[in-house]
Amino acid sequence: AQKITQTQPGMFVQEKEAVTLDCTYDTSDPSYGLFWYKQPSSGEMIFLIYQGSYDQQNATEGRYSLNFQKARKSANLVISASQLGDSAMYFCAMREGQGDYKLSFGAGTTVTVRA
Amino acid sequence: DSGVTQTPKHLITATGQRVTLRCSPRSGDLSVYWYQQSLDQGLQFLIQYYNGEERAKGNILERFSAQQFPDLHSELNLSSLELGDSALYFCASSVRSGRVNEQFFGPGTRLTVL
Repeated sequence: AQKITQTQPGMFVQEKEAVTLDCTYDTSDPSYGLFWYKQPSSGEMIFLIYQGSYDQQNATEGRYSLNFQKARKSANLVISASQLGDSAMYFCAMREGQGDYKLSFGAGTTVTVRA
Repeated sequence: DSGVTQTPKHLITATGQRVTLRCSPRSGDLSVYWYQQSLDQGLQFLIQYYNGEERAKGNILERFSAQQFPDLHSELNLSSLELGDSALYFCASSVRSGRVNEQFFGPGTRLTVL
């Protein structure tokens, strides 16, 4: 079974608008971490934001926020005030357990920001 | 710049050949992970080393092997290459302690098998 599901292969968003990228996950481990990474066309993987399974508050990092709904097993990324430089592929990933363990990635969502 | 270095950036080779990809983790990071990103399989975990020892294995083919050396750099060896091995290979590193255990990714090695 897929551990991370991203159902939106591609999205278009107008500059300065907000966009929400969906991510659902599947795990029976009570301790896990959820990550979002950005991959621009140049190929590198850039860490954006992290949410731990025991975190009470939704994570925020600048224009990025994570809408964590534990009961629904969902961890959607919200990008506010989109910029042209946000055009990229976005990956949701999960680490099961508390240590330095492997990441399981979703299929990714391509975001294209229009001027 | 994540602090993780990978060489070479690009590699073009023929089927049946053998190649070695090299990774240097961030200073102080003991864990090294290898991931493969291909069009059909997406991003997949291959293998993890921690302080020189193999720690976890993912979908790594028997034709592939890896090791981590005493200076903590790691090498991924791919042999008897097939067209389907063409992919972007990432190395990532992380520290063991800490709440987030964020993995820092290198720039990747793009392998093309002709």
